[in-house]
This record gives sequence, structure tokens and C-alpha cells, in this order.
Amino acid sequence: ILNVEQSPQSLHVQEGDSTNFTCSFPSSNFYALHWYRWETAKSPEALFVMTLNGDEKKKGRISATLNTKEGYSYLYIKGSQPEDSATYLCACSAGGFKTIFGAGTRLFVKA
Amino acid sequence: GAVVSQHPSRVICKSGTSVKIECRSLDFQATTMFWYRQFPKKSLMLMATSNEGSKATYEQGVEKDKFLINHASLTLSTLTVTSAHPEDSSFYICSARTSPSNEQFFGPGTRLTVL
Repeated sequence: ILNVEQSPQSLHVQEGDSTNFTCSFPSSNFYALHWYRWETAKSPEALFVMTLNGDEKKKGRISATLNTKEGYSYLYIKGSQPEDSATYLCACSAGGFKTIFGAGTRLFVKA
Repeated sequence: GAVVSQHPSRVICKSGTSVKIECRSLDFQATTMFWYRQFPKKSLMLMATSNEGSKATYEQGVEKDKFLINHASLTLSTLTVTSAHPEDSSFYICSARTSPSNEQFFGPGTRLTVL
């Protein structure tokens, strides 16, 4: 069974703070790790897809790292802004390419 | 990124009727599409994986006779909720996977309300 876990469940930060969240997944049979940003009433927006151990991706103030050997990925947000408030979902694709989502980290950025 | 459309965006129906939801990849071909359902205050739960030209693979606990999935072409997958009941009311969202990048793009979702 592919079980993807995210922590923390929710996070409250002040504008300007940097923050990070964790996604853990089974390291066996790994294929790809996805990060999405999801705002209420909208479809999830793809942030990154990573496949190789040690991958690091960056988009503006957001970056992510991947460790497939130990089964975790970190998402970092530098200098959080109120518009960063959203749910950040990670999803893991395993052998057979089935993609399973974690429960998400709900980020609240206070101005 | 690639565009995925979903239709209808919102549907209200009476208990016992069937509802069809379409998912289309507009500017790319998707050999694999996924159907998810969001439960209240929870993340997206995978219902089934839809492969073009073959039968869908359903997740444990998802009734294949209740949630009929057809992936007739490389740009279209449909989910039919048969004999819908109020407990089927939910937000259903599809995604399509590109190749070879393995990125997944989501449709805007369909809000189903069964009275």
C-alpha cells in the first residue's frame, strides 16, 4: 500500500517568515514525487515533479528537495507572503504509475 | 502548463439518476488519466486510474459498477456515477499525465450534489 504522509497538517506564519514542510513516502518502487499548490475552489497547480535522488527544484521563492533513499521531500517557501496561503499537496507515483496524494499542509500567512 | 478541461463544473441531480462527467486534455495526449474524489476536509482520494483503450484500475473500496470509467481516446476520459445517491455528493476531479515528463495536470473539478 502506497502511503504518503505530510507534516505539519497546518502551519501559521507571519509575512516574511521562511517555512518548510515535509512529505514522506515509501522509498521502494518509487517513480516520481509531485508538489502541488491548491487553493479552495480551484484545481491543484503543479509546482514541481522530481524523479532523481538529490533533485532540487526552484520556482521563485519556492523550492523543493528529494531524497528517494530515505523517502522524503521538503518544500521550502522563502519570505512567505499572504498570497502563499494555500494547501500544499505532495503526491507520489510508484510502480504502475499510480499517484497517491498526501493529506496536505494548510499554510496560513498573516500580513 | 498543459490544459485539462472538465465538464460539467457543477451538477445537481435527483437520487437514482446517472451523471456523466467528462475530462479532456486540450493540448496534449494523455495515455493515463486519474479520477479523484475529495471528501470533506480531506485531501484528494484516488478513485481509479484510466488508461486509454483498456479497463480502468479501481482503488480498493471503489465500486466499479457504480463509478463507470471510459477512456475512449487519448484526450477524453469519462466518469459516470450510476444511480447516484446523496452520499455520492462530492467534488470529483480528474487529472491527465503527460509523457515523458510525467507531469500531472488537473481539471477544474465537478461539484456533484445529489438531492
